[in-house]
Amino acid sequence: AQSVAQPEDQVNVAEGNPLTVKCTYSVSGNPYLFWYVQYPNRGLQFLLKYITGDNLVKGSYGFEAEFNKSQTSFHLKKPSALVSDSALYFCAVRGRTSGNTPLVFGKGTRLSVIA
Amino acid sequence: EPEVTQTPSHQVTQMGQEVILRCVPISNHLYFYWYRQILGQKVEFLVSFYNNEISEKSEIFDDQFSVERPDGSNFTLKIRSTKLEDSAMYFCASSEMGQGPYEQYFGPGTRLTVT
Repeated sequence: AQSVAQPEDQVNVAEGNPLTVKCTYSVSGNPYLFWYVQYPNRGLQFLLKYITGDNLVKGSYGFEAEFNKSQTSFHLKKPSALVSDSALYFCAVRGRTSGNTPLVFGKGTRLSVIA
Repeated sequence: EPEVTQTPSHQVTQMGQEVILRCVPISNHLYFYWYRQILGQKVEFLVSFYNNEISEKSEIFDDQFSVERPDGSNFTLKIRSTKLEDSAMYFCASSEMGQGPYEQYFGPGTRLTVT
């Protein structure tokens, strides 16, 4: 069975500092990995995904994520946090199977960037 | 930019009543999904839909739930007889393709409160 763990419920970071939101996964075979962000009263917005190839994936709003197969991790990073980055972040995984397969989400991490 | 829309944004209903949650997926997308998030918990998959039939469903999606694409634009989730534990945020999503690397686009959600 596929699963995603986001070990931190809350991450606090000062504006301008680098941020990391952690994600580890469990899936048979090689995964597709995704990060989504949710702002208040909005749906989940796609940030970036890992398919194959380069372990460092760049996405929207200056975010990037590093795929580490040996540690089964896909941590979300940003070199310099903005107050506007404050939101709820979800990591998700999808197995490499055929068919209309769902995403499996972590429980989310609330990022608070303090000015 | 095209968006997934959902109505209503908030629905309050009494236990045992039927509710219909509505979604308008992105127009050229063919794969549709419903997820839910009980307050403070993970985003959970309910059902996926393609070509006018259910592709996959989770254990949550029991006989009380049904989905329908009544016309070329709407995608609905019906709960026949609501229970207190159905209170959650329900997200609709759509995708261009159903397999692995294609991201799903989410609506803003409908908050269902069962009293």
